[in-house]
Amino acid sequence: AQSVTQPDIHITVSEGASLELRCNYSYGATPYLFWYVQSPGQGLQLLLKYFSGDTLVQGIKGFEAEFKRSQSSFNLRKPSVHWSDAAEYFCVGETSGTYKYIFGTGTRLKVLA
Amino acid sequence: KAGVTQTPRYLIKTRGQQVTLSCSPISGHRSVSWYQQTPGQGLQFLFEYFSETQRNKGNFPGRFSGRQFSNSRSEMNVSTLELGDSALYLCASSPDLGPNEQFFGPGTRLTVL
Repeated sequence: AQSVTQPDIHITVSEGASLELRCNYSYGATPYLFWYVQSPGQGLQLLLKYFSGDTLVQGIKGFEAEFKRSQSSFNLRKPSVHWSDAAEYFCVGETSGTYKYIFGTGTRLKVLA
Repeated sequence: KAGVTQTPRYLIKTRGQQVTLSCSPISGHRSVSWYQQTPGQGLQFLFEYFSETQRNKGNFPGRFSGRQFSNSRSEMNVSTLELGDSALYLCASSPDLGPNEQFFGPGTRLTVL
């Protein structure tokens, strides 16, 4: 069955530290992959997406993600975290032809001042 | 351009009742998807509509249904409400079918007593 796994439910980092959120997928074919962020009281917002091509994708708010086919991973990174990055992050997969998003369980990020 | 709007934002119902939630997509968007978000199950896909036709359906009982109108506005209905239906219901729109970014509304918080 198709699935998206985020192994870390909670992550705490200090402001200014680097961040990496993990995401692994299980699909028959290479899925389309997304990272969304959900801030308290706000809707889900797209950070970045990978469809094909360059495996390192840049997104908004200084985020980037790297697609690694050999590891079935699509990890999200940011070199220096800001307090406003505290939120829940979702890795999402979609396979061509299904047009159906499969969400990971989410990683809640806490940022220490 | 106005974002995705959902009404009502909050609802309280009792077991056995039915409820209808409404979603207005971004102008020009023809695809509307619905998701259920709960602390225990995370974000789960309910169904997707495109051109007034249901294109995809998640693993939910038949009590959950939806429809889309000619102006792309969508409604979802839950009949015979159960306590476990308490959740945040999110609507998302995208311009077309396919691996597009989905734009999410703020959600409708449904509480079943």
